[in-house]
Amino acid sequence: DIVMTQTPLSLSVTPGQPASISCKSSQSLLHSDGKTYLYWYLQRPGQSPQLLIYAVSNRFSGVPDRFSGSGSGTDFTLKISRVEAEDVGVYYCMHTIQLPYSFGQGTKLEIK
Amino acid sequence: QVQLQESGPGLVKPSETLSLTCTVSGGSISNYSWSWIRQPAGKGLEWIGRIYSNGAPNYNPSLKSRVTMSIDTSNNQFSLNLRSVTAADTAVYYCARRVIVPAAIDYGSFDIWGQGTMVTVAS
Repeated sequence: DIVMTQTPLSLSVTPGQPASISCKSSQSLLHSDGKTYLYWYLQRPGQSPQLLIYAVSNRFSGVPDRFSGSGSGTDFTLKISRVEAEDVGVYYCMHTIQLPYSFGQGTKLEIK
Repeated sequence: QVQLQESGPGLVKPSETLSLTCTVSGGSISNYSWSWIRQPAGKGLEWIGRIYSNGAPNYNPSLKSRVTMSIDTSNNQFSLNLRSVTAADTAVYYCARRVIVPAAIDYGSFDIWGQGTMVTVAS
């Protein structure tokens, strides 16, 4: 099974400042079809997870451009260029390259 | 707009079977896979398994011996049965849609989730 490891597990950020979350997978998420099956989700308090980034670096519909994803192989990063109050919640990376799918432990973002 | 809605008992006794249904509204159940994901209070997300519209399932090996999923395409619903539950199965259970059309730009993602339903295992 692929293990997804996120760091840090918590972040406290002043509004307007950047934030960065790392996600490392125990195996490459690059498939033979050329696609990389790495996704980022945000779970706001009391809500279900929502898709932010698909295939490493593509923002899902409606996601602000202050969110960006990067990386390849086994190392990935989610960046928020300027954190806003509505960005609070828990961020998860997830892979779907093989079964069973799995998530990182989550990174809790708080506002200072 | 496609929406997913979980339904089922909020309380299940230990050793009994947890049964949940996810109803898909506003869109077709075809051309996607449909998953169950759970989250114990204050903890992370665990993928339980998936089912395709043709009824073919795949389960997380950690739960495989206790899980059965089914799908009812005529009613746009899919279901989860988890047998022999214990307190460790207490969690919020989510259903979610995965995009499986390779040409789709967000191929492979879980793009739509239900709101989740809390299930407590207790006597």
